[in-house]
Amino acid sequence: GDSVTQMEGPVTLSEEAFLTINCTYTATGYPSLFWYVQYPGEGLQLLLKATKADDKGSNKGFEATYRKETTSFHLEKGSVQVSDSAVYFCALSDLGGANNLFFGTGTRLTVIP
Amino acid sequence: EAQVTQNPRYLITVTGKKLTVTCSQNMNHEYMSWYRQDPGLGLRQIYYSMNVEVTDKGDVPEGYKVSRKEKRNFPLILESPSPNQTSLYFCASSFGQGSNSPLHFGNGTRLTVT
Repeated sequence: GDSVTQMEGPVTLSEEAFLTINCTYTATGYPSLFWYVQYPGEGLQLLLKATKADDKGSNKGFEATYRKETTSFHLEKGSVQVSDSAVYFCALSDLGGANNLFFGTGTRLTVIP
Repeated sequence: EAQVTQNPRYLITVTGKKLTVTCSQNMNHEYMSWYRQDPGLGLRQIYYSMNVEVTDKGDVPEGYKVSRKEKRNFPLILESPSPNQTSLYFCASSFGQGSNSPLHFGNGTRLTVT
């Protein structure tokens, strides 16, 4: 079945450090891939998405590239800020849509000044 | 303001006492869904609804019921809660099913069953 494997956390970085959160997936078809972010006390928000191979999703300085050959969708940011502290979830939808998502376990990021 | 509203935010109850968690969206979304979030397990889908009067089981539906009598509301019902249903619950909605219809989440309901 479809699944998402996400890098274990928590991750602690200093401000302006480079961030990578690894995500790999298993799917029978051609899924759409997403990164969601959850700030403390809030629900999840869509951060970025990619719907086909080699697509790059980007938002707020974060990027992720849909790599079909390695079944990966790693999240990166060149210079993190304290305000980026949150839990990040990788997710896939095998229906070509944004619903019925399979989520990873989440990675908690803490950025210290 | 476009939003998904869940109530209550926090709920402590005892085993076997029926409860309902409400969810309402003001975006005229067709699709609504319930998830539970548990440490080390991420989010798992409980039930979803593609439209009024249409509901389907997600990955972990046991012990839960839902209804979709109106487009805007999608309550989650626990007829006889048990301690293993202690969790953080999220309601979500979206306009359609395409990749350009992202899920909008509520702020969550933290349920404790003793």
